[in-house]
Amino acid sequence: EVVLTQSPGTLSLSPGERATLSCRASQRVGSNYVAWYQQKPGQAPRLLMHGASTRATGIPDRFSGSGSGTDFTLTISRLEPEDSAVYYCQYYGQTFGQGTKVEIK
Amino acid sequence: EVQLVESGGGLVQPGGSLRLSCAASGFTLRSHWMTWVRQAPGKGLEWVANIKQDGSEAVYVDSVKGRFTISRDNAKNSLFLQMNGLRADDTAVYYCARDVGYAVDYWGQGTLVTVSS
Repeated sequence: EVVLTQSPGTLSLSPGERATLSCRASQRVGSNYVAWYQQKPGQAPRLLMHGASTRATGIPDRFSGSGSGTDFTLTISRLEPEDSAVYYCQYYGQTFGQGTKVEIK
Repeated sequence: EVQLVESGGGLVQPGGSLRLSCAASGFTLRSHWMTWVRQAPGKGLEWVANIKQDGSEAVYVDSVKGRFTISRDNAKNSLFLQMNGLRADDTAVYYCARDVGYAVDYWGQGTLVTVSS
């Protein structure tokens, strides 16, 4: 069973800064099977990235994904206030990481 | 426009049963695997189960195996989750969601299930 560990637990940054979120798998996984989601309070999650690096429809290009093997990264290049949310990675359409909360100062 | 609307949540006693429904519209349900994901209050997301396009295959998280059953009626554009033997740790918002190949691209608004005496 693959376990996903996300870090850091919370990231507090200012608008315009770069956010780097990590998702580490307990064993090597195919990058095709890694997705990222954004969830704001009181809302359903929203798909950001699939196949580790392909942006979902309508996702701005300040969001990017990368990685292979056991280490995957979601980068938000220039934070905006509306990016305040919890971000989850997912493997194989099943297992989720525990989430990273991004706070905008 | 793709829409997923869950219903059937509520308060149930431990050991009880509930059947969740999800009405799908705006796309061809029979073309997609479908998924249930839950989120306990203040906690993260947990995948619960998913089901193949024709209903011939279903996969479950270990914690619900033998208690929950996912099913679908493509003719009625509906997805279901039968939950038996409910426990306090099943308390969560349950989301219906559409699979697009190892990711989920559309989610419903969720329905709250509370298991308590």
